[in-house]
Amino acid sequence: DAKTTQPTSMDCAEGRAANLPCNHSTISGNEYVYWYRQIHSQGPQYIIHGLKNNETNEMASLIITEDRKSSTLILPHATLRDTAVYYCIVRPSTSGTYKYIFGTGTRLKVLA
Amino acid sequence: NAGVTQTPKFQVLKTGQSMTLQCAQDMNHEYMSWYRQDPGMGLRLIHYSVGAGITDQGEVPNGYNVSRSTTEDFPLRLLSAAPSQTSVYFCASSYSRGGSPLHFGNGTRLTVT
Repeated sequence: DAKTTQPTSMDCAEGRAANLPCNHSTISGNEYVYWYRQIHSQGPQYIIHGLKNNETNEMASLIITEDRKSSTLILPHATLRDTAVYYCIVRPSTSGTYKYIFGTGTRLKVLA
Repeated sequence: NAGVTQTPKFQVLKTGQSMTLQCAQDMNHEYMSWYRQDPGMGLRLIHYSVGAGITDQGEVPNGYNVSRSTTEDFPLRLLSAAPSQTSVYFCASSYSRGGSPLHFGNGTRLTVT
């Protein structure tokens, strides 16, 4: 199972873009990259996912490097409500092992 | 849709007691899983299932049992509770096909004294 590595914590000024990196150097060709966030002790919330191409939705953008060994989650205009722990994980795109392994994530603090 | 429903929300057990944490989903998801989250830590996978009758171990399976008799339900059993099992437990589900995100329940806070 591919593992991911993320910085322990980051700060971002309110209104600025928050760029959260993730390293997944052992990712295989059929594995998606997913991002989730967890606010306080609530259940994690899905943000975005991608396989090879960059993706954007109403919450964020996901930039995946060409070699797929790393990715960056971008929150374009961070607000105080974006303060949370952000998790980057990988999962196969086809049937097989379904071990979604979460690491310790990045604790993002948005500063007023 | 109710999504993923976990019961109870809170539970206090004495050491050695047994109990079952309930998880139900109404999205017809094939995949279901249980995680535990200790204070200040990330989520650790306990057990998971890819369909009725099929379960497998995650990262930290010891002390827990699961079964999957229906698509909707995936209960987690603590056979003999220990203080080390004090944690917040999350259930999650998804479709099996690639590109399907996990949907999480709101968690069960378990304290073992």
